[in-house]
Amino acid sequence: GAVVSQHPSWVICKSGTSVKIECRSLDFQATTMFWYRQFPKQSLMLMATSNEGSKATYEQGVEKDKFLINHASLTLSTLTVTSAHPEDSSFYICSAYSSGSYNEQFFGPGTRLTVL
Amino acid sequence: AQKVTQAQTEISVVEKEDVTLDCVYETRDTTYYLFWYKQPPSGELVFLIRRNSFDEQNEISGRYSWNFQKSTSSFNFTITASQVVDSAVYFCALSARDSGTYKYIFGTGTRLKVLA
Repeated sequence: GAVVSQHPSWVICKSGTSVKIECRSLDFQATTMFWYRQFPKQSLMLMATSNEGSKATYEQGVEKDKFLINHASLTLSTLTVTSAHPEDSSFYICSAYSSGSYNEQFFGPGTRLTVL
Repeated sequence: AQKVTQAQTEISVVEKEDVTLDCVYETRDTTYYLFWYKQPPSGELVFLIRRNSFDEQNEISGRYSWNFQKSTSSFNFTITASQVVDSAVYFCALSARDSGTYKYIFGTGTRLKVLA
């Protein structure tokens, strides 16, 4: 149980375009989902926290107009990188948490974004 | 402030050696959770262990063992008889309440290289 999927697993796009990444909890309802970004040889940095049906809470320094997060259901959250630039190239990881999971987050496999 | 320190950036050992990865955390919360994750080159985080702040029992799982000491705010991870497949980046994480939500704070990770 507690499986989280992400789609796509990798994406290459041109500078200036927008890219949407989906995160799904496959076998449980996720009250909260998290989005992280990981640059090469660095740790995971939390970008935002989203609760189903409400606006996401962004960490300091993360542009909410650039990284649009939608958590429309208890099993799906999306991250849209708008007007992507090469510096947005990174590994994006989502996680999901349910109220009965002892505060453990279940991580998706990640999406590698390359912006040309 | 909540913080996780993994002072060892990179460790190289020869196969069959034992190796200990250090993790020191800071939090003012009395209820918190500690985790270890393995991140192989594929990027997907692999859950290894969860510990809550009220359970100081050490744990052993096969070649892996964990030593949780609240007195020194440490949660160290030992691999016995290391194998090449253990080569990966290992992250220690603290889950503590932040604005009403339990969020993860990751350490910077320790890259373990096990040489044949």
